[in-house]
Amino acid sequence: AQTVTQSQPEMSVQEAETVTLSCTYDTSESDYYLFWYKQPPSRQMILVIRQEAYKQQNATENRFSVNFQKAAKSFSLKISDSQLGDAAMYFCAYRSVFASGGGADGLTFGKGTHLIIQP
Amino acid sequence: DSGVTQTPKHLITATGQRVTLRCSPRSGDLSVYWYQQSLDQGLQFLIQYYNGEERAKGNILERFSAQQFPDLHSELNLSSLELGDSALYFCASSQRDSYNEQFFGPGTRLTVL
Repeated sequence: AQTVTQSQPEMSVQEAETVTLSCTYDTSESDYYLFWYKQPPSRQMILVIRQEAYKQQNATENRFSVNFQKAAKSFSLKISDSQLGDAAMYFCAYRSVFASGGGADGLTFGKGTHLIIQP
Repeated sequence: DSGVTQTPKHLITATGQRVTLRCSPRSGDLSVYWYQQSLDQGLQFLIQYYNGEERAKGNILERFSAQQFPDLHSELNLSSLELGDSALYFCASSQRDSYNEQFFGPGTRLTVL
């Protein structure tokens, strides 16, 4: 079974600064998807960014980018120009490509990192 | 707004009782997933349905069951409730042949007293 580890329970950053959240995973599969989800105090789960393992290029979405190191099984999230609205729990998640029955399996989540933005 | 709706938003019940949580997926989405978020276990995948059929099972207890109806809405049934079942229950939906992005509903907060 796959596992996802987020070693930073909490991170704090000054507004407008850059912060990097860490995620490592364990899998024997060669192809898979990785995601970062944001969960603000409203508890809504919001997709921030995704990465297909077969793509060597790191995904970027505006101020959010990832550093995907497949050999090291590492998938970190960089948030540039941090804003107060970025304050939330951030979850790293893994999903297999070759899901059973031809459909999509569920996501395996890490424990999350609580990101605090200091004004 | 993700387009996924869940009812009720909050549910308070007693141990030993049975409850039903409801989810309506985004228009056009055939897959529905159920997740449980608790302080002890974090976010866990419970079960997936695709076009009315069970597709994959995660860490779902035998006391829990789900189904997906012809109109594609889904229900999660929790029975013989225990204090430890108190959690936030999310439903998510996705299309089959997309990037498999799962869109999450707002969740149902279950409190078992």
